[in-house]
Amino acid sequence: GAGVSQTPSNKVTEKGKYVELRCDPISGHTALYWYRQSLGQGPEFLIYFQGTGAADDSGLPNDRFFAVRPEGSVSTLKIQRTERGDSAVYLCASSAKLAGGPGELFFGEGSRLTVL
Amino acid sequence: GQNIDQPTEMTATEGAIVQINCTYQTSGFNGLFWYQQHAGEAPTFLSYNVLDGLEEKGRFSSFLSRSKGYSYLLLKELQMKDSASYLCAVEGDSGGYQKVTFGTGTKLQVIP
Repeated sequence: GAGVSQTPSNKVTEKGKYVELRCDPISGHTALYWYRQSLGQGPEFLIYFQGTGAADDSGLPNDRFFAVRPEGSVSTLKIQRTERGDSAVYLCASSAKLAGGPGELFFGEGSRLTVL
Repeated sequence: GQNIDQPTEMTATEGAIVQINCTYQTSGFNGLFWYQQHAGEAPTFLSYNVLDGLEEKGRFSSFLSRSKGYSYLLLKELQMKDSASYLCAVEGDSGGYQKVTFGTGTKLQVIP
């Protein structure tokens, strides 16, 4: 596709449920990031993939959060046993960057998660 | 890890110039980004600085001092549409790769 695509754009769920958020990056982009953004705050780093592997997952808040990128393209962020505090906009970004070189991040429109 | 600091809010007048500062502390610094984010929208790229000095791009300029851990974004001839949040983001070492970490953003309000 022409840009980074995220689905769903909006997700309302009940506390304790499981959710999956999908990110389809720009074709050929090797780097993929997940961020979480709450109202009035900057994007909070969650996890960063280079290819299929998670280069840095230090931002995942706890073991309820998990992300995969099995074929080095589409990524899925998985949240188990959702809590009200998980409510936020989840942003995905991709970059053509390889290790050691520059790379602008291209963001998707985000998935707004609301946990009731 | 990374620590990024920028003012929370600023107000400026249409047609004026405004400077948004960003200070940072990071390991393995590689470069610094500025992004613009309008309310309810995704961030969009404005600039990327690797070397010390000023990079000019139309009405927007970005400055970097690596030794001081300091950057600023300069917006000239402000327009109402420039009302947005401006995000400073640092690219730092993460196990051989470069991770991009964002500050909390500066919400700029342009008034007539």
